[in-house]
Amino acid sequence: GAVVSQHPSRVICKSGTSVKIECRSLDFQATTMFWYRQFPKQSLMLMATSNEGSKATYEQGVEKDKFLINHASLTLSTLTVTSAHPEDSSFYICSARGGEWYTEAFFGQGTRLTVV
Amino acid sequence: GEDVEQSLFLSVREGDSSVINCTYTDSSSTYLYWYKQEPGAGLQLLTYIFSNMDMKQDQRLTVLLNKKDKHLSLRIADTQTGDSAIYFCAESTANQAGTALIFGKGTTLSVSS
Repeated sequence: GAVVSQHPSRVICKSGTSVKIECRSLDFQATTMFWYRQFPKQSLMLMATSNEGSKATYEQGVEKDKFLINHASLTLSTLTVTSAHPEDSSFYICSARGGEWYTEAFFGQGTRLTVV
Repeated sequence: GEDVEQSLFLSVREGDSSVINCTYTDSSSTYLYWYKQEPGAGLQLLTYIFSNMDMKQDQRLTVLLNKKDKHLSLRIADTQTGDSAIYFCAESTANQAGTALIFGKGTTLSVSS
């Protein structure tokens, strides 16, 4: 299968600062990337869908000014958590589909964000 | 809206078969997926099935789909301790790259030796 790399895997930041998470498709062109948030022992909650070169589509209840998504190329999408607060602490996972892999969705390793 | 339901826990003994069940509500689901998540890690795609199929086998994994009842199952033969993880069922309503997957809450599989 295809490989999606997410970085960093863990980050601790101070309240009020911003954190950027990168998601890269290493061996295919990801037409669409998805960002999910996962709370402990819970399912994945879709936050937004981003298509290369266009604005992301956010799910209801997700603040687009707080969770900035950029999909500047077919292999890279970034999620920036702005002015982070402790309640933003969570596990963030990206997923990518595209090219010959349009039927499957491949996931990054996830980023554990802790805001102190 | 779409909904995917799974039982939360399953406990089996090493060597036994595990069967994880999932139900979904959207009859227009095109693909159905099984993912595995180990602690602190991302999701690993195990297998998927197209909605016009009723069975798919891949080594120790067998997926059964009952489209009429909107029921999907994953059978793991000869379950090993390394199979202990959370298993997510997911569905996609279109065969296009722009569609996000809808996930169930996950089934925690515990394998004892």
